[in-house]
Amino acid sequence: GENVEQHPSTLSVQEGDSAVIKCTYSDSASNYFPWYKQELGKGPQLIIDIRSNVGEKKDQRIAVTLNKTAKHFSLHITETQPEDSAVYFCAARAPSGGSYIPTFGRGTSLIVHP
Amino acid sequence: NAGVTQTPKFQVLKTGQSMTLQCAQDMNHNSMYWYRQDPGMGLRLIYYSASEGTTDKGEVPNGYNVSRLNKREFSLRLESAAPSQTSVYFCASRAPTGLNQPQHFGDGTRLSIL
Repeated sequence: GENVEQHPSTLSVQEGDSAVIKCTYSDSASNYFPWYKQELGKGPQLIIDIRSNVGEKKDQRIAVTLNKTAKHFSLHITETQPEDSAVYFCAARAPSGGSYIPTFGRGTSLIVHP
Repeated sequence: NAGVTQTPKFQVLKTGQSMTLQCAQDMNHNSMYWYRQDPGMGLRLIYYSASEGTTDKGEVPNGYNVSRLNKREFSLRLESAAPSQTSVYFCASRAPTGLNQPQHFGDGTRLSIL
């Protein structure tokens, strides 16, 4: 099955700096890569996603890049703000009999210091 | 718009007690999922229901049962709770259109087994 590795497990930055979280996946058939943000006491919420036919996607201060050859994808947050502090999860989904079963990374705790 | 609603939000059980975690979604989604989240382990799939009337095991199904009561509701039951089942449980649902659509998560049930 699919295996997703996420690094780093903890990331500490100063407000205004950029933050990058990286994920690798094992199944070359994976074609959908969502990123979720989880605030304390809440459930994960989708912040951005990318499909395998696209190399990069941006939404304001957030961007995701995908390298299918190397089987890795990254989340980039620019001009970080204290409200960006949260746990971020990447996921990868490989087609499997029509069922949607993504595999999640173990999460990155992002801390943005004012 | 409530989205995915989980009840209860918190629960403490004694070893051997039984309990049912409730989940309901109001987005007319076909697929529903139960995950558990443990520190450093990310989100692990317990059971899922691709559509009303069907359920399938995920990565960690032992000790759990599920019921897809109707299209809106998907419950998770612990028949004889064990301390290893202390965790935060998340329910999620997914839109029916297309295979690569994201999941929507509830805010979780925090369960402690003493």
